[in-house]
Amino acid sequence: DAGVIQSPRHEVTEMGQEVTLRCKPISGHDYLFWYRQTMMRGLELLIYFNNNVPIDDSGMPEDRFSAKMPNASFSTLKIQPSEPRDSAVYFCASSSPVWGTEAFFGQGTRLTVV
Amino acid sequence: AQSVAQPEDQVNVAEGNPLTVKCTYSVSGNPYLFWYVQYPNRGLQFLLKYITGDNLVKGSYGFEAEFNKSQTSFHLKKPSALVSDSALYFCAVRDNTNAGKSTFGDGTTLTVKP
Repeated sequence: DAGVIQSPRHEVTEMGQEVTLRCKPISGHDYLFWYRQTMMRGLELLIYFNNNVPIDDSGMPEDRFSAKMPNASFSTLKIQPSEPRDSAVYFCASSSPVWGTEAFFGQGTRLTVV
Repeated sequence: AQSVAQPEDQVNVAEGNPLTVKCTYSVSGNPYLFWYVQYPNRGLQFLLKYITGDNLVKGSYGFEAEFNKSQTSFHLKKPSALVSDSALYFCAVRDNTNAGKSTFGDGTTLTVKP
């Protein structure tokens, strides 16, 4: 397996524009997580899914953020409209349904909003 | 609720010396404990975990960690540090009633000097 695949790796956009980040989890993993990493706030869990259903979105900062998982092999995180304070590295991770298993992280998307 | 504390933002050691990166946790049930490492511009990579059994667990790259239930700690150790071990290290915890969501510490930057 190629691991968790995120795209794009880098995104530069202007304030007010819509941004969509994409994630393909490892096949067979039924948990999918979206994290945001910044110097100021560290690693934050934004939302996670189990079997394509959102379980906990309490970490989503505001209504400008939305996430979907239309099927087991694809998820998106959308920011609309984007703001400079959204600049961060966004990670997607997945894990298997077996109790006690670790999470596998993608390489991340570095988002810069100017 | 579950939480993790990594009391040191930074740990500096000389190459060849032993290293310890500290982690304490709080969970309501029995803990699943994890260590991850992040190299610059990369996603988090799994190092090792404690689920049950022997309190001393061994992982990748010569790292090990000791689970101490009475002190609610899970410190990461390595007998002889390498310059290439320099990275950001995260401790994470999940209680055994929650198959999905882990809580991560704020991370500790390890610098190994030649």
